[in-house]
Amino acid sequence: EAQVTQNPRYLITVTGKKLTVTCSQNMNHEYMSWYRQDPGLGLRQIYYSMNVEVTDKGDVPEGYKVSRKEKRNFPLILESPSPNQTSLYFCASSLWVSSTDTQYFGPGTRLTVL
Amino acid sequence: EDKVVQSPLSLVVHEGDTVTLNCSYEVTNFRSLLWYKQEKKAPTFLFMLTSSGIEKKSGRLSSILDKKELFSILNITATQTGDSAVYLCAVEDPGNTGKLIFGQGTTLQVKP
Repeated sequence: EAQVTQNPRYLITVTGKKLTVTCSQNMNHEYMSWYRQDPGLGLRQIYYSMNVEVTDKGDVPEGYKVSRKEKRNFPLILESPSPNQTSLYFCASSLWVSSTDTQYFGPGTRLTVL
Repeated sequence: EDKVVQSPLSLVVHEGDTVTLNCSYEVTNFRSLLWYKQEKKAPTFLFMLTSSGIEKKSGRLSSILDKKELFSILNITATQTGDSAVYLCAVEDPGNTGKLIFGQGTTLQVKP
């Protein structure tokens, strides 16, 4: 089954404790990205990756890092989480950067930073 | 600054009603507008619109784009409780980044 998976799905952590949210897709997609969703603000892009080893900042990259060592994986790293990073996070992928109508979203990771 | 604004932010209707959700946008070099449905999980794709005046239709849902007035509407006829969800409107970033610029969403509740 074609899908984007994220782990963990739920996480409660404390300020400053490094964490990684994994994202993996099984569709051989070139393009992957991360969004965060906050009430009243919709989804905002954090980082994106056009291809392996190619990543770039989205609209809200502060406090986040990403890597794209393999095509299928695009982990989101919070080196020192803070309470303002409490949010719902979605990973998304599509075949190409231009394939916006066939962009698959992962199930989401709800992160709480105390 | 590119932006997308949806209205209303929330809506409560009864089964069988028809609803119209609005999405207005300001973006340089428009490419496409997309509608998604989100039911407490990942957004699922509904429609992509690129040309004015051409209605996209899927069952009881339909959508149309007006590129002159910079807005789109999503219509749902004969609503059902299963239509309860957050409906998201997004426009494609003109900078070829693959980014979608989302509106705040409209929360629709359909009561039996």
